[in-house]
This record gives sequence, structure tokens and C-alpha cells, in this order.
Amino acid sequence: GAVVSQHPSRVICKSGTSVKIECRSLDFQATTMFWYRQFPKQSLMLMATSNEGSKATYEQGVEKDKFLINHASLTLSTLTVTSAHPEDSSFYICSARDGGAGEQYFGPGTRLTVT
Amino acid sequence: AQSVAQPEDQVNVAEGNPLTVKCTYSVSGNPYLFWYVQYPNRGLQFLLKYITGDNLVKGSYGFEAEFNKSQTSFHLKKPSALVSDSALYFCAVRDTFRGYQKVTFGIGTKLQVIP
Repeated sequence: GAVVSQHPSRVICKSGTSVKIECRSLDFQATTMFWYRQFPKQSLMLMATSNEGSKATYEQGVEKDKFLINHASLTLSTLTVTSAHPEDSSFYICSARDGGAGEQYFGPGTRLTVT
Repeated sequence: AQSVAQPEDQVNVAEGNPLTVKCTYSVSGNPYLFWYVQYPNRGLQFLLKYITGDNLVKGSYGFEAEFNKSQTSFHLKKPSALVSDSALYFCAVRDTFRGYQKVTFGIGTKLQVIP
């Protein structure tokens, strides 16, 4: 099956710094990628949808200047958490869609801890 | 607006017994329906999907799901549960109305298979 990787898998950073998370589709081209945030024992909350070569579409309540998303190629999307605060600590998961009607393939997630 | 309901926070079943994890949905057009499984501190793994055709969909690891349009349900089933099936299960729906892209996830159901 299709594989999506995320890097890093775990990151600890100090408050006020920025952190970049990479999401790659390894064996398919993903015109659409999604970024989710998952709080403990809760469902996935969609943060934004990104299409290759265009600006990301953010969900209501998600600060686009804080969570910068870049989808520069058909296999790579990045999420940068700028000026991180402890409340940004969470599990961030990306996914990529293979084709218009296909299922989404998920990355293994990135555990962000802001101290 | 589309929505997904997973009415049970947790399902307990004895190893070897059949299991059912419930899911109901609401969409404007025709639904695309998905089931995913998540193990602790991991991303989501795709199990199966319904797009069109046969109402009974077979997926990975012996799981299957039945699409019931009249009841707007897509319950996940397995004839004989394994201890290794213990995980968090998410039902998801994508509305096809006007090319809508977003997938909405349920809150998840924790499956506990008791040896």
C-alpha cells in the first residue's frame, strides 16, 4: 500500500522557537495533503488542506500565520509551528490522498512537546 | 454539513467472539465511507472503504463493514476477534456533494479484546 512518512517522529522545543514537520508520500503523488492535530483521547481535528502549488485552506479557528503550510511538490508538504507555546504541544498527523476518490494515507504522526 | 457518529466510547469483546463497532453518518450527497485503526502513538492505518457497489466491503486483517443507506450506517465487523485487534477505531465520511473534499472523522471507539 501507499506509504506516507513524517519527520521528525518526536520533537521537543523551547517556547518561542519554531518547529518544522515534514510529510512525504513515498510511492505516489499526492495532489492533496491534510494536516491534523490530535489531542489525547480525542479524534483528529483537521487543521488545513493543502493542494500542490497553491495556498493551503485553513479550518475555522486555525491561525494560518502560526501554522505555516507549504506544499511545494507532489510528494512533500511541510507544517511549521511558529513561535511555539506549551499549548501547541500535541500529536500532529499528516495524510495524503492518492487520486480524487481515493482513501487518505496517514503518516505515523509527530509528537510535539513545547517546554 | 457532513457528520459522523460513533456512539460507543469503548467496546469490550472476548477473544474469539464476533465484534461490531458502530458508525452512523450524515451527508448531503452520496457518501464515501472509511474505517481506520490507530495503535498508541501511531498514525492511522486504513482498513477499508465504501465508494460504490456491493454494500458489504471486505478490508484488511479480516475486517468488513456493511453500508446501509436506509439506516445511514457503516458498522465495522469481524467474525472472530483477536487480542491484537485492541486499538482505537475511527469511522470517517466524505461527502461527494459538489466535489467537497474534506473527510470528517468520528471521535473514535476503543476496542478492547479480552483474552
